[in-house]
Amino acid sequence: QPVLTQSSSASASLGSSVKLTCTLSSGHSSYIIAWHQQQPGKAPRYLMKLEDSGSYNKGSGVPDRFSGSSSGADRYLTISNLQSEDEADYYCETWDRNTWVFGGGTKLTVL
Amino acid sequence: QLQLQESGPRLVKPSETLSLTCTVSGGSISSNNYYWGWIRQPPGKGLEWIGSFYYSGRTSYNPSLKSRVTVSGDTSKNQFSLKLTSVTAADTAVYYCARHIMAGPTDYWGQGTMVTVSS
Repeated sequence: QPVLTQSSSASASLGSSVKLTCTLSSGHSSYIIAWHQQQPGKAPRYLMKLEDSGSYNKGSGVPDRFSGSSSGADRYLTISNLQSEDEADYYCETWDRNTWVFGGGTKLTVL
Repeated sequence: QLQLQESGPRLVKPSETLSLTCTVSGGSISSNNYYWGWIRQPPGKGLEWIGSFYYSGRTSYNPSLKSRVTVSGDTSKNQFSLKLTSVTAADTAVYYCARHIMAGPTDYWGQGTMVTVSS
C-alpha cells in the first residue's frame, strides 16, 4: 500500500507563487496521484491528476494558475499569482487496485 | 452535472451502527468505469478513505476499517450506502460520499455530513 507524505503547512504572499510537495513511499515512485483543494468549511474539490512524467490533466473549471510537475517520487502542485481564495488545505491522493489513500494534507496560508 | 448528496442520522450512540445514504443525480451508479465510495474527515484532521463499491457488486475497503464496514448500492434508486458497526467517539467525523474513476482519482465529492458519536 503506498504512503503519501506532505508538509503540514506552507505560506506565501498574495500574488506570488508556491510549490507544494507530495512524496510517494519507497517502491511507489511511478504512481499517478491527484491533487485536491479543500477551502475552509467546504468539501474537497478535485484539481488534477498528475503522472510520474509530469503530465497532468486538470478538472473542470480549475484555473490556469494551478499546474503540476514531478521529479522521482515527488509530485508537485504549483499555484501562481496566489489569490486569497487559494488559502486552503491541499491533499494528494493515490490508488492501488481500486483502493485509495490520501496524504496528510498541507495547510496553505496566503499572507 | 453530477451531484452527490449524503443523508442519515447526525447523532449515533456508542456501540451502535452508523448508516448513511448517498443519492446520486446527473449520472448513474451503474456506469462502467466508476467506483462509488465513502471518505471521512475527523474534526481538524485529514481525509481517510473508508470503502467503495462497483455496480457489479465488487467492493473494496480500508484494511483498518474492513471488519466494521459495508458499502452497497441500490441501482433502482441510484443510491449507495455506508454501514459502520460498533462505533466509538473516534468515528465522529464529516462523512463524504464520492465518485472514483476506476483505477483513478476521486473526481466528484458530496458536500459532506457531520456525524457525532455520543450517548
